[in-house]
Amino acid sequence: SAVISQKPSRDICQRGTSLTIQCQVDSQVTMMFWYRQQPGQSLTLIATANQGSEATYESGFVIDKFPISRPNLTFSTLTVSNMSPEDSSIYLCSVNRGNNYGYTFGSGTRLTVV
Amino acid sequence: AQTVTQSQPEMSVQEAETVTLSCTYDTSENNYYLFWYKQPPSRQMILVIRQEAYKQQNATENRFSVNFQKAAKSFSLKISDSQLGDTAMYFCAFLPGGTSYGKLTFGQGTILTVHP
Repeated sequence: SAVISQKPSRDICQRGTSLTIQCQVDSQVTMMFWYRQQPGQSLTLIATANQGSEATYESGFVIDKFPISRPNLTFSTLTVSNMSPEDSSIYLCSVNRGNNYGYTFGSGTRLTVV
Repeated sequence: AQTVTQSQPEMSVQEAETVTLSCTYDTSENNYYLFWYKQPPSRQMILVIRQEAYKQQNATENRFSVNFQKAAKSFSLKISDSQLGDTAMYFCAFLPGGTSYGKLTFGQGTILTVHP
């Protein structure tokens, strides 16, 4: 099964700034997924990142706010831009291990915007 | 679109006892997969158990088992001999079949507290 290294594990940021979150997978994967988990809530898919093409965003999420890079088959970044306190959440990356095995998740980034 | 509903926001159980977490889902698909994930305070999402919809036999992983009722679209998780380390938020999740890159849909989650 894939192992995902996600950084940073947590950060406290000033409003109006941007934070880039990195995920490194120990094997090549076609798609990577980025989720947001607001405090006490479930996980919501932000976007799907496919190597070599633009990410596909879910309803309510836009590229200007959450730009994603996917330079190769083992790495992806998610940037949270122009942050406000409402962006305070846990952000998780994930890869699909194949339908029979579900998804593997990174350890998450706890973001607090002050 | 699929929906996943967990109607129990919080549950508690005494150590060594058994607890059942409920999950229902709605889908028009016939081929799909269901999962229970555990998220302890460390935030790490951990796969607890999985079930293929085409299999009638309920999945079991050590102390964890499911009651999969396909016609009723119900997928409950039973934790036997509860341990303090089982304290976590538990999410039921649905994954459509037929593709390798389907989107995972989560329920709202159930916070489980195991008391000594």
